[in-house]
Amino acid sequence: GDSVTQMEGPVTLSEEAFLTINCTYTATGYPSLFWYVQYPGEGLQLLLKATKADDKGSNKGFEATYRKETTSFHLEKGSVQVSDSAVYFCALESYNTDKLIFGTGTRLQVFP
Amino acid sequence: EAQVTQNPRYLITVTGKKLTVTCSQNMNHEYMSWYRQDPGLGLRQIYYSMNVEVTDKGDVPEGYKVSRKEKRNFPLILESPSPNQTSLYFCASSLGTGGWDTEAFFGQGTRLTVV
Repeated sequence: GDSVTQMEGPVTLSEEAFLTINCTYTATGYPSLFWYVQYPGEGLQLLLKATKADDKGSNKGFEATYRKETTSFHLEKGSVQVSDSAVYFCALESYNTDKLIFGTGTRLQVFP
Repeated sequence: EAQVTQNPRYLITVTGKKLTVTCSQNMNHEYMSWYRQDPGLGLRQIYYSMNVEVTDKGDVPEGYKVSRKEKRNFPLILESPSPNQTSLYFCASSLGTGGWDTEAFFGQGTRLTVV
C-alpha cells in the first residue's frame, strides 16, 4: 500500500542554520504531497503542498519540490528560527483511496 | 473563524466505560476523519467520512465507532475503552470533493488515558 517515510528526529540546529528534512514515498498513481507542522500543544497545520511532479510548494520560507523520479518531497529552509521548533509531518493523498497518509513525523529543535 | 473543535481536550477514564469524543467543524466540509497519534508511529487513520451517512474504516478501526448524521459533526465513540487506546486523538476536515487535495484542518487534539 501507499506509504511515507521520513527521517527520524530529533533534528537539532542552531538559529540561522540550513534545514533539510527528508521524505520519500511509495504510491500508485500520482499522489498529492504535503508537509504539515505541529507546534507544541496544537493540532496539525498545512505548511505547503504540491500536486504534480516538479511542482514546488513554499510557505514561510520553507520549500519542497515534488520529485517523481526519486519519489521524494524533501523539506528545506535556508535559515531556521527558534519559532520553527515543531514536529513536521510529510503526507500524501492516496490516489486510489482518498486517504491522507502521514509519515511518522520529525521533531525539529532550534536553539538560539 | 474557521475551525475544527474537539471536546474534551483531556480525558482520563477507566477500562470499559463508554465514552464519546465530539468533533465539530464550521466550514461546511464534506470530508472528516479521525486519527490517533502515537510516539514513533505518527498519525494513523481510524475512520473517515466523505459525506453525511457515509463512513468507512481507516487503518486502525478496531474498538472505535463513528457516526455522521450531520455534516458538521463527526463523533468518535469508544464503546469499551482499553488501555491500548490511550493516545492523542485528532479530528480533521477538508473541503476537497476529490479527497484531501485541499487543506485539511485539524482540531487541537484530545489526550485520552485509559486506566
